Amino acid sequence: DGGITQSPKYLFRKEGQNVTLSCEQNLNHDAMYWYRQDPGQGLRLIYYSQIVNDFQKGDIAEGYSVSREKKESFPLTVTSAQKNPTAFYLCASSVDRASHEQYFGPGTRLTVT
Amino acid sequence: AQKITQTQPGMFVQEKEAVTLDCTYDTSDQSYGLFWYKQPSSGEMIFLIYQGSYDEQNATEGRYSLNFQKARKSANLVISASQLGDSAMYFCAMREGTRGATNKLIFGTGTLLAVQP
Repeated sequence: DGGITQSPKYLFRKEGQNVTLSCEQNLNHDAMYWYRQDPGQGLRLIYYSQIVNDFQKGDIAEGYSVSREKKESFPLTVTSAQKNPTAFYLCASSVDRASHEQYFGPGTRLTVT
Repeated sequence: AQKITQTQPGMFVQEKEAVTLDCTYDTSDQSYGLFWYKQPSSGEMIFLIYQGSYDEQNATEGRYSLNFQKARKSANLVISASQLGDSAMYFCAMREGTRGATNKLIFGTGTLLAVQP
């Protein structure tokens, strides 16, 4: 079964701790994306990567970091510098940067107290 | 700046009836793409339909069709013969930049659709 996996579904952390959210895809897609969703709002782009070992900041990158060492994996680290980290995080991928459709993972709901 | 506006926070529709979800957009690009995604309560985003700015025909995918009115900058989603499983949040999105440059999506705030039996 091809698809995108995000784990865990729910994540709880104490304020001041860094936390890494995983995103794995076996679709052989070049491009991967991280979005954040807050209640009552649409998705906002955090970071995206169009190819291995390359990534760019999205609209709300402050307080986040990513890596793209393997085509299949695009982990997102929420650092202690992120002022409001509690949110729903969605990872997506697309065949390449020009393709129409982005395929989304099931999401990780992060709660920081 | 590019922007997507969905003015309907929530909608009700009777089962088997059609419903239109509104979406207007703002962009200065000549080439752009418009998308609709469905988000059930489980949280995943499901791609429904795509319309390119140069496509002359309105896009259709099964029970979904996109009413594209370029001059009005609107891209409304029409769902025909609503089913209970259509109850979900629906997001309109626009691809920023010309095709091949980037695939960044800008999302609206969504419309919550409730299908009543």
